[in-house]
Amino acid sequence: AQSVAQPEDQVNVAEGNPLTVKCTYSVSGNPYLFWYVQYPNRGLQFLLKYITGDNLVKGSYGFEAEFNKSQTSFHLKKPSALVSDSALYFCAVRDMWGATNKLIFGTGTLLAVQP
Amino acid sequence: DAGVTQSPTHLIKTRGQQVTLRCSPKSGHDTVSWYQQALGQGPQFIFQYYEEEERQRGNFPDRFSGHQFPNYSSELNVNALLLGDSALYLCASSLVVEGETQYFGPGTRLLVL
Repeated sequence: AQSVAQPEDQVNVAEGNPLTVKCTYSVSGNPYLFWYVQYPNRGLQFLLKYITGDNLVKGSYGFEAEFNKSQTSFHLKKPSALVSDSALYFCAVRDMWGATNKLIFGTGTLLAVQP
Repeated sequence: DAGVTQSPTHLIKTRGQQVTLRCSPKSGHDTVSWYQQALGQGPQFIFQYYEEEERQRGNFPDRFSGHQFPNYSSELNVNALLLGDSALYLCASSLVVEGETQYFGPGTRLLVL
């Protein structure tokens, strides 16, 4: 079955330090991978995606993610965390079996940035 | 450029009732998907509409139905509400093109008592 795993329920980081939010995937073929962020009582905001090409993808608000096919990972990174980055982050993969761009989401990782 | 909009923002219903949620897609988008996000969980795909037809359905019972209108807006209907239907319902829109990003609305918070 296709799936996405986010192994950490919560990540704590001090402001100004680099952050990493982990994601691994299980799909057949070449995956389409996405990161979204959700602030309290809000919908999901798109951060970045990997479809093909360069393994390092740059997105909104200074975030980037590295696609690693051998490790089936797509970790989200930022060189210097801000308190305002504190939110719930979701990794998602497109359903490669269906006829649509249906997304399969992970369970989310809560990022807490301490001042 | 208007993003995805949803109404209402919050809704309280009792068990057995029916509810209709509405979504207007981002300007230029032709495809609408609905997701259910239970508390502490990731969003789960309900179904997707394109050209006024349901293209794919997730693992949800027939109590969940939808509709897409000629202007691409969409409705999600849930009949015979159960307590377990309490969740944030998210609408996402996109173009029906391979690899296109889905953009999400703010969601409708449904509470079933």
